[in-house]
Amino acid sequence: AQTVTQSQPEMSVQEAETVTLSCTYDTSESDYYLFWYKQPPSRQMILVIRQEAYKQQNATENRFSVNFQKAAKSFSLKISDSQLGDAAMYFCAYRSARGGSEKLVFGKGMKLTVNP
Amino acid sequence: EPEVTQTPSHQVTQMGQEVILRCVPISNHLYFYWYRQILGQKVEFLVSFYNNEISEKSEIFDDQFSVERPDGSNFTLKIRSTKLEDSAMYFCASETEINYGYTFGSGTRLTVV
Repeated sequence: AQTVTQSQPEMSVQEAETVTLSCTYDTSESDYYLFWYKQPPSRQMILVIRQEAYKQQNATENRFSVNFQKAAKSFSLKISDSQLGDAAMYFCAYRSARGGSEKLVFGKGMKLTVNP
Repeated sequence: EPEVTQTPSHQVTQMGQEVILRCVPISNHLYFYWYRQILGQKVEFLVSFYNNEISEKSEIFDDQFSVERPDGSNFTLKIRSTKLEDSAMYFCASETEINYGYTFGSGTRLTVV
């Protein structure tokens, strides 16, 4: 079974600074998808960024980018120019590309605090 | 922007009672999911639903749970006889095509007393 590990339960960053959230995963599969979701105090889970394992190029979405290291099974999220609205729980998630398996496997999450 | 809508936002129920959690997925989405998050713990997969049938379910999704898409717009999760340990946030999600990325609803907080 696949597992996702977020080893840092909490982090803080100064507004306008850059922060990197770490995530590792364990799988024997070669084809899969990785996601970062954000959960603000409103509790809604919001997709931040998505990465296909077969793509070598790291995904970027505005101020959010990933460092995907397939051999190391590492998938970190970098938030540049941090804003107060970035404060939230961040969840890393894995999804198999195998047909018939659609579930996301989540890490435990990491609470990000943004200090003004 | 299209949203996944969940109702109610909070439900309190007595142990042993049946509850139905409701979701309206985004209209052109084809894949539907339920997840739950016990306070302070991981988000856990319950069930996926496609083409009017369950396509995958977890060990959590036992006989007390059922899902239905009764009218082509709503997607419901029924818990037949609630237990204290069913207290959690329940999230509905939908997806337009597989592996594109879910859109989650805001969740229903279920409290079983």
